[in-house]
Amino acid sequence: AQSVAQPEDQVNVAEGNPLTVKCTYSVSGNPYLFWYVQYPNRGLQFLLKYITGDNLVKGSYGFEAEFNKSQTSFHLKKPSALVSDSALYFCAVRDGGQGNLIFGKGTKLSVKP
Amino acid sequence: NAGVTQTPKFRVLKTGQSMTLLCAQDMNHEYMYWYRQDPGMGLRLIHYSVGEGTTAKGEVPDGYNVSRLKKQNFLLGLESAAPSQTSVYFCASKTSASTQYFGPGTRLTVL
Repeated sequence: AQSVAQPEDQVNVAEGNPLTVKCTYSVSGNPYLFWYVQYPNRGLQFLLKYITGDNLVKGSYGFEAEFNKSQTSFHLKKPSALVSDSALYFCAVRDGGQGNLIFGKGTKLSVKP
Repeated sequence: NAGVTQTPKFRVLKTGQSMTLLCAQDMNHEYMYWYRQDPGMGLRLIHYSVGEGTTAKGEVPDGYNVSRLKKQNFLLGLESAAPSQTSVYFCASKTSASTQYFGPGTRLTVL
């Protein structure tokens, strides 16, 4: 069965520092991987996805993610964190042909001034 | 273009009561989904639909029913609410090629 894991419940970063939010996956076949962000009291917003091609995927709001097949990871990164990046981040993998997503438990990112 | 909307935004029920949550999308998407979000558990798929008139079970379907009578609407019903169904419910929609677009959520409390 497909699954994703987000090993950190919370990540704390100082504004201006680089940030990484970790995600590992377990799939049969080629993975379709996604990152979503949820701001307080809001729905999820799509950030980026990996389907095939370049291992470094660029997305919205300056975020990028690196797909690493050997380590089965898809970590979310940003070179310089903003206080406004503080939110809940979800990694997801597509499950099956219907496009259903399996989500990780989420990582709370806190960026302090 | 409102995207995905959900009605109501908040609701409090007593155990045993019934209610229906409405999800509407104006993007002509074929696929629609209902998730529940609980602290520390991420989002879990309740039911989904791949087109008008079709529905299928997700990971946690027990206690819920759904209907997709019109392409733009996806209804989630609770026939006899239980405290374990206290959660935030999200609807999402997509085309066959797009990513999922999420609604703003419905916060349900069952007393």
